[in-house]
Amino acid sequence: QVQLVQSGAEVKKPGSSVKVSCKASGDTFRSYGISWVRQASGQGLEWMGGIIPMYGTTYYAQHFRGRVTITADESTSTAYMEVTSLTSDDTAIYYCARVVYSGSYSQFDSWGRGILVTVSS
Amino acid sequence: IQMTQSPSSLSASVGDRVTITCRASQSISNYLNWYQQKPGKAPQLLIYAASRLQSGVPSRFSGSGSGTDFTLTINSLQPEDVASYYCQQTYSTPTFTFGPGTKVDL
Repeated sequence: QVQLVQSGAEVKKPGSSVKVSCKASGDTFRSYGISWVRQASGQGLEWMGGIIPMYGTTYYAQHFRGRVTITADESTSTAYMEVTSLTSDDTAIYYCARVVYSGSYSQFDSWGRGILVTVSS
Repeated sequence: IQMTQSPSSLSASVGDRVTITCRASQSISNYLNWYQQKPGKAPQLLIYAASRLQSGVPSRFSGSGSGTDFTLTINSLQPEDVASYYCQQTYSTPTFTFGPGTKVDL
């Protein structure tokens, strides 16, 4: 059973950047993808982007393209996401999720516990 | 691809049958997943490929639909089912879109 362990809460100033991590254990890191999903307080889930470590390919939601960078370190089974030019609208819980591909289907079958990122002056 | 859900919230009694609808802005075949998110917790996968029950999920949950219209049904609602429910399209894999969610209360 895979476990995704995320880094701790962050408090950032507007205009700064934040880099959060997601370490996978219990399964081969390369055999699936990692996606990042955020959720503002009282709001729904928003897919931000993802990476397939086996291929090193990254994908981003249009809304975040250019401001979000997702990377992965296979040697430590850790995925990272950096968000730049933070504003108060980026205050949210950030989840990582394992993306399993079965045939032409895909699903987020394991999730981290989430990281609260607060952007405040 | 845009996703919508209805209703945005609902209240039901223990033992009720609950139905949540998800609609895609274009045909997505059966590339549709459902997630449950309990208050203060991370989401959990309930159903994938529109109708396949994830391992460990109680059989009172079921999904149906294809094309643009999908349904999540909870037969005999239980207190532990109080949560928000989200649909997700995977037709455009490796990019994804979630629906806005449906909050279920007792």
